Amino acid sequence: QKEVEQNSGPLSVPEGAIASLNCTYSDRGSQSFFWYRQYSGKSPELIMFIYSNGDKEDGRFTAQLNKASQYVSLLIRDSQPSDSATYLCAVKGYSSASKIIFGSGTRLSIRP
Amino acid sequence: EPEVTQTPSHQVTQMGQEVILRCVPISNHLYFYWYRQILGQKVEFLVSFYNNEISEKSEIFDDQFSVERPDGSNFTLKIRSTKLEDSAMYFCASSPGDRLDEKLFFGSGTQLSVL
Repeated sequence: QKEVEQNSGPLSVPEGAIASLNCTYSDRGSQSFFWYRQYSGKSPELIMFIYSNGDKEDGRFTAQLNKASQYVSLLIRDSQPSDSATYLCAVKGYSSASKIIFGSGTRLSIRP
Repeated sequence: EPEVTQTPSHQVTQMGQEVILRCVPISNHLYFYWYRQILGQKVEFLVSFYNNEISEKSEIFDDQFSVERPDGSNFTLKIRSTKLEDSAMYFCASSPGDRLDEKLFFGSGTQLSVL
């Protein structure tokens, strides 16, 4: 069973619309959840993190966590062409210095 | 903003040769990591390092791999006898601590090509 699962996409969204990215994870002991953005040939950069059930908003981004369903999502409002990238869901376990495990990513394309 | 620095940006080697990838984590960080990403695939965890020893390693991190913090600033990944399938982008990362919200700061990566 994959530890972190994401739909690979591509997900195509018109400029100005809301992009919705989803992720499920298998380890119920997971504590922290991250969304990274990765442009082609570049390193991942952190967009959001969340560790409590519910919603967390930061500018145009909202992360949602449902630990009972083992589900994390990222909403991007007012999508811009510069948002076109691969979005990586990442999960951290319960122990200190615990590894962060990445999903395979969802490719997002914002069409003008 | 402080950065994780990786050198070289590109490394080409012959199969069977040893390579050392170098990283300078952010100076006050305590936790160090190596990840790799084969072209078109996901970012895979290799190893985490804390207090001068390996904290955790993945199945990928076999006896051909080793890590070292030879001085107070560098963190290296050595592959003893490279295989074709070791060709990938290798990312070094560091974090200040182990809090739940602690993020990883990634370097820009070393693209390793094994011929």
